[in-house]
Amino acid sequence: NAGVTQTPKFQVLKTGQSMTLQCAQDMNHEYMSWYRQDPGMGLRLIHYSVGAGITDQGEVPNGYNVSRSTTEDFPLRLLSAAPSQTSVYFCASSYSDRDTDTQYFGPGTRLTVL
Amino acid sequence: GQQLNQSPQSMFIQEGEDVSMNCTSSSIFNTWLWYKQDPGEGPVLLIALYKAGELTSNGRLTAQFGITRKDSFLNISASIPSDVGIYFCAGSISGAGSYQLTFGKGTKLSVIP
Repeated sequence: NAGVTQTPKFQVLKTGQSMTLQCAQDMNHEYMSWYRQDPGMGLRLIHYSVGAGITDQGEVPNGYNVSRSTTEDFPLRLLSAAPSQTSVYFCASSYSDRDTDTQYFGPGTRLTVL
Repeated sequence: GQQLNQSPQSMFIQEGEDVSMNCTSSSIFNTWLWYKQDPGEGPVLLIALYKAGELTSNGRLTAQFGITRKDSFLNISASIPSDVGIYFCAGSISGAGSYQLTFGKGTKLSVIP
């Protein structure tokens, strides 16, 4: 199993550009989530999904969209990037929303918005 | 929402020393987790605690779930250079359909050989 994979590993955007951060898992996990990590901060939940076709907002959803058309993939979209979205983004997955204590994290995407 | 206060923010220790860090919360949690994050990587779960008063070990790591359910600590004994990284605590409250994790801000550990 590859576990949780994220692409790209690094990305630089200009203000106003759009892009999609990719996340995939091959463990047949129902629950997937996106976090952002800022310097000196813990991880903050952006969006999550409890299964294909179901998504919900986390603590800091503004400026981000998600969709879950398959169990494996959970992309995060930035429609109009802003410097405040410069951060490290982590995708995570677990068997269900009741197993968030054992969720696996991807290696992260380091995003810089100029 | 819930907030976790994790301390210290950073530590510089000599190889072989023991390390202690803790997390406190204004709210009650019924699960406490400790993660380690290596540079350039995602967090990896070290220890999970599910019951107030629980004391759990994983090799040189020992963590405890506080009796009040509002705190937890992590000890690392006989530190080695590969212990370097950022350690995060996280808590969750199961109930009302919510199992979301709240993370502390992390303790950055540096080990001097």
